[in-house]
Amino acid sequence: EAQVTQNPRYLITVTGKKLTVTCSQNMNHEYMSWYRQDPGLGLRQIYYSMNVEVTDKGDVPEGYKVSRKEKRNFPLILESPSPNQTSLYFCASSLTGVLSGNTIYFGEGSWLTVV
Amino acid sequence: AQSVAQPEDQVNVAEGNPLTVKCTYSVSGNPYLFWYVQYPNRGLQFLLKYITGDNLVKGSYGFEAEFNKSQTSFHLKKPSALVSDSALYFCAVRATGANNLFFGTGTRLTVIP
Repeated sequence: EAQVTQNPRYLITVTGKKLTVTCSQNMNHEYMSWYRQDPGLGLRQIYYSMNVEVTDKGDVPEGYKVSRKEKRNFPLILESPSPNQTSLYFCASSLTGVLSGNTIYFGEGSWLTVV
Repeated sequence: AQSVAQPEDQVNVAEGNPLTVKCTYSVSGNPYLFWYVQYPNRGLQFLLKYITGDNLVKGSYGFEAEFNKSQTSFHLKKPSALVSDSALYFCAVRATGANNLFFGTGTRLTVIP
């Protein structure tokens, strides 16, 4: 089954404790991305990657890092989480991205709470 | 720059009645428009998209949307609502000059039995 898988789905952590949210897709997509969803703000893009070793900032990259060492994986790293990073995070993938009209497919989401 | 407006935070409709979830947009160039649905505790599921061609686009679960260039709108519609359609709906547009989707703030649809 074609899917985008992210883990963990739910996490409560403390301020400053580094954490990684993993994301994997099995569709051989070149494009992957991370979004955060906050009430009243919709979804906002954090980072995206057009292919292996190619990453770029989205609209809200501060406080986040990503890496794309393999085509299928795109982990999101919070080096020193703060309470304002409490949010619902979505990983997404697409064949080559929306510039060419391709659909973006989303994972199930990861609820992150930073206390 | 681009923008997406979903003017209604909440839409209530009786089961069996037609439903409409509104979306207007502003973007440079040709708009690529998308609708997604989010069920409770689930990710976003793709419903339909308009890239080019017919202004009436049909998608999953009986939903359709009409692209109206003059009104810069892309309203989501369904002829007969089901209770199971109750969810959060997002309209999105391809961001100007970027390989990214720009989302509206979402509309919560409640279908009343």
